[in-house]
Amino acid sequence: DVKVTQSSRYLVKRTGEKVFLECVQDMDHENMFWYRQDPGLGLRLIYFSYDVKMKEKGDIPEGYSVSREKKERFSLILESASTNQTSMYLCASSPGGAWKTQYFGPGTRLLVL
Amino acid sequence: KNQVEQSPQSLIILEGKNCTLQCNYTVSPFSNLRWYKQDTGRGPVSLTIMTFSENTKSNGRYTATLDADTKQSSLHITASQLSDSASYICVVSDGGSQGNLIFGKGTKLSVKP
Repeated sequence: DVKVTQSSRYLVKRTGEKVFLECVQDMDHENMFWYRQDPGLGLRLIYFSYDVKMKEKGDIPEGYSVSREKKERFSLILESASTNQTSMYLCASSPGGAWKTQYFGPGTRLLVL
Repeated sequence: KNQVEQSPQSLIILEGKNCTLQCNYTVSPFSNLRWYKQDTGRGPVSLTIMTFSENTKSNGRYTATLDADTKQSSLHITASQLSDSASYICVVSDGGSQGNLIFGKGTKLSVKP
């Protein structure tokens, strides 16, 4: 089975802190994604990566950055957390090709105070 | 503008009953349509993926239909179980890079005993 793991299920941070969310997949997938999910808005794509050291902006990249130094690991960074970044963050991975199903991690619920 | 609209927003049914969830989309060009199930506090899990040429696909008690002419899809759940309580998300791909997935906001289904 494909496994996508995220470093934390719940996280509480203060405004202005730098926050790192880690995602690891074990199926050698080329593509990895970061989404945020908010009530009434559905999933929105923040960034994605189709190869090591490659990244593309999604729909809402402002206030976020990403890092993919190894194929299996994709990190989301909040440079200076703000309260409007309180959300559920979901990581996903997929093999190459638009056909392929995305496999999601369990999510990290982030609260910024 | 590419959009995916789901209805109803929420639904409550009794255990053992059938139900149908709707998804209308205006995505163009169209590549494929996916249905995901998301349990509370968990990441989405793929149920089905359908291409332009497929009009029905089943996964156990879940049956998805697609009418590419009217740009409508439905997810039918037969003999519902308490474990079917979840959000169901319709996702449409325009066949571009992996980032071009348009997510619906989901239908929240509650199955009561």
